[in-house]
Amino acid sequence: NAGVTQTPKFRVLKTGQSMTLLCAQDMNHEYMYWYRQDPGMGLRLIHYSVGEGTTAKGEVPDGYNVSRLKKQNFLLGLESAAPSQTSVYFCASSYTGQLVTGELFFGEGSRLTVL
Amino acid sequence: AQKVTQAQTEISVVEKEDVTLDCVYETRDTTYYLFWYKQPPSGELVFLIRRNSFDEQNEISGRYSWNFQKSTSSFNFTITASQVVDSAVYFCALSLWGNAGNMLTFGGGTRLMVKP
Repeated sequence: NAGVTQTPKFRVLKTGQSMTLLCAQDMNHEYMYWYRQDPGMGLRLIHYSVGEGTTAKGEVPDGYNVSRLKKQNFLLGLESAAPSQTSVYFCASSYTGQLVTGELFFGEGSRLTVL
Repeated sequence: AQKVTQAQTEISVVEKEDVTLDCVYETRDTTYYLFWYKQPPSGELVFLIRRNSFDEQNEISGRYSWNFQKSTSSFNFTITASQVVDSAVYFCALSLWGNAGNMLTFGGGTRLMVKP
């Protein structure tokens, strides 16, 4: 049972470098999300997707881009990394419930440090 | 906009003590869902419970119990006879029914340390 898989798990970047985080889910979920976790602030939504080919901004989208070219994958990109983007990033997915809001299934997190 | 507040940033108890984690939420919607997640030291978030706004019945699952009170906008979580394995960060979260995306709004989390 792979569930939600994130790669890489750890990455150190220099300011201005770019990188992409990959999230893959094998549960055929329509919805996928990228959150960032910072001390004392819980998890904050960066971007999300309600289906293949669609993306939308969350609470803190600035400095990030996303793509959902395939249903099972959701990519998070940093075009020009900044120290403020040092964080732990979590990908999640959920099923579409017409009458019920389903719980989110999370990946193990990706720790990104920007120097 | 909705908001979730977990006023207790850190709690320390001795094994076998009971402990309650507080969660207060704000929303203007009448239909919503509340969640609790556990984040153990390994880092992944583990789903514990989901409640909808129409169901105020308290729920018990083993040593875990949840008290949902709409009158005070609270959804508190109690661990009875705590164990060292309960040490983790616990997050309360809110989702609005019908929003296009099931997005969760999280509280800041409560770090629970259970000492042997």
